[in-house]
Amino acid sequence: GAVVSQHPSWVICKSGTSVKIECRSLDFQATTMFWYRQFPKQSLMLMATSNEGSKATYEQGVEKDKFLINHASLTLSTLTVTSAHPEDSSFYICSARPGTSGGDYEQYFGPGTRLTVT
Amino acid sequence: AQTVTQSQPEMSVQEAETVTLSCTYDTSESDYYLFWYKQPPSRQMILVIRQEAYKQQNATENRFSVNFQKAAKSFSLKISDSQLGDAAMYFCAYFYGGSQGNLIFGKGTKLSVKP
Repeated sequence: GAVVSQHPSWVICKSGTSVKIECRSLDFQATTMFWYRQFPKQSLMLMATSNEGSKATYEQGVEKDKFLINHASLTLSTLTVTSAHPEDSSFYICSARPGTSGGDYEQYFGPGTRLTVT
Repeated sequence: AQTVTQSQPEMSVQEAETVTLSCTYDTSESDYYLFWYKQPPSRQMILVIRQEAYKQQNATENRFSVNFQKAAKSFSLKISDSQLGDAAMYFCAYFYGGSQGNLIFGKGTKLSVKP
């Protein structure tokens, strides 16, 4: 149980275009989802926290207009990178926290999405 | 602010031997959780072990165990009988805050296992 999927696993896009990454909790309802960014050989950097039906909370330094997060349902959150540039190339990881099952601290990670902007 | 420090960027161990990865953290809270996550080359984050701060007993999961020293704010991971599949990045993480909290990660330790 507690599986989180991400789609796509790898995406290449041209500079200036937008790309959407989906994060789904497959067998539980996630009241809270998190989006992380990871550069090569570095740790995970929290970008934003989203709760179902409300606006995402962005970490300091993360451009909310560039990284649009929508948590439309209890099983789906999306991250849209708008007007992507090569510096947005990175590995993006989502995680999901169940609403009622498990402890408040339980958090399950998706397999990540590699974004390459050319 | 809470911080997590992993002072060993890289570690190496011989297959079947034991290795200990270090982690220290800083917090003023008394009730929190600590985790070790493994990130293999696939980059999927895998929970290795979890420790509740209110528990004095060190957590153990098969070949993985922790040495939790609350007063010293230390949380090391011991891997016994190391296997080639243990080679990965290992991240120490701290959690506090209930439903409003989020994980704070250390910078990670890259573990290599020599056959």
